Amino acid sequence: EVQLVQSGAEVKKPGESLRISCKGSGYSFTSYWISWVRQMPGKGLEWMGRIDPSDSYTNYSPSFQGHVTISADKSISTAYLQWSSLKASDTAMYYCARPNSGYDSWGQGTLVTVSS
Amino acid sequence: DIVMTQTPLSLSVTPGQPASISCKSSQSLLHSDGKTYLYWYLQKPGQPPQLLIYEVSNRFSGVPDRFSGSGSGTDFTLKISRVEAEDVGVYYCMQSIQLPWTFGQGTKVEIK
Repeated sequence: EVQLVQSGAEVKKPGESLRISCKGSGYSFTSYWISWVRQMPGKGLEWMGRIDPSDSYTNYSPSFQGHVTISADKSISTAYLQWSSLKASDTAMYYCARPNSGYDSWGQGTLVTVSS
Repeated sequence: DIVMTQTPLSLSVTPGQPASISCKSSQSLLHSDGKTYLYWYLQKPGQPPQLLIYEVSNRFSGVPDRFSGSGSGTDFTLKISRVEAEDVGVYYCMQSIQLPWTFGQGTKVEIK
């Protein structure tokens, strides 16, 4: 069974750094990209970017380029989304997803709360 | 970026009645490989999104046949032939022909 398991909820202060994770199992992790999707409270879905775990090649949405970093460690089948300096506006649910003729598998989501 | 525009933004449906959601893209989603990269997702309350339809009209595994997708180019439609209580949630269309991939605003479906 294909599974994407994300790290747990985080509460951070503005200016702090953070890395959240997404671990894939049940399939060949290096054979599929991993994307990250943001959902701000009460809002819709926003595509942030993606990574090819086989070579760590990335694409970012211009809306997120420079503010987040997507990475992966194929040795442990895990993708990451990280911030070097969080803002209150980063408060959101973040999902990882695997594209396979559409996003056929999603992580359960990681809620990030940024508040002073 | 390709803009995806859904209508309506909300829908209240009597169980057993049909429902229809429109999605229009600002550019054609037809690729030179012959595929059209338009997808439909349903996000039920408190859950991550789930794939319903891929490449305009193909139901994902396990999706009931009351869901159907149609359209071409820039105009697409998701239809539910007979809405059931379990269909409540927010429906999103998404394109993946051009980076960045983009979603529609979402259509909230509720039961009367």
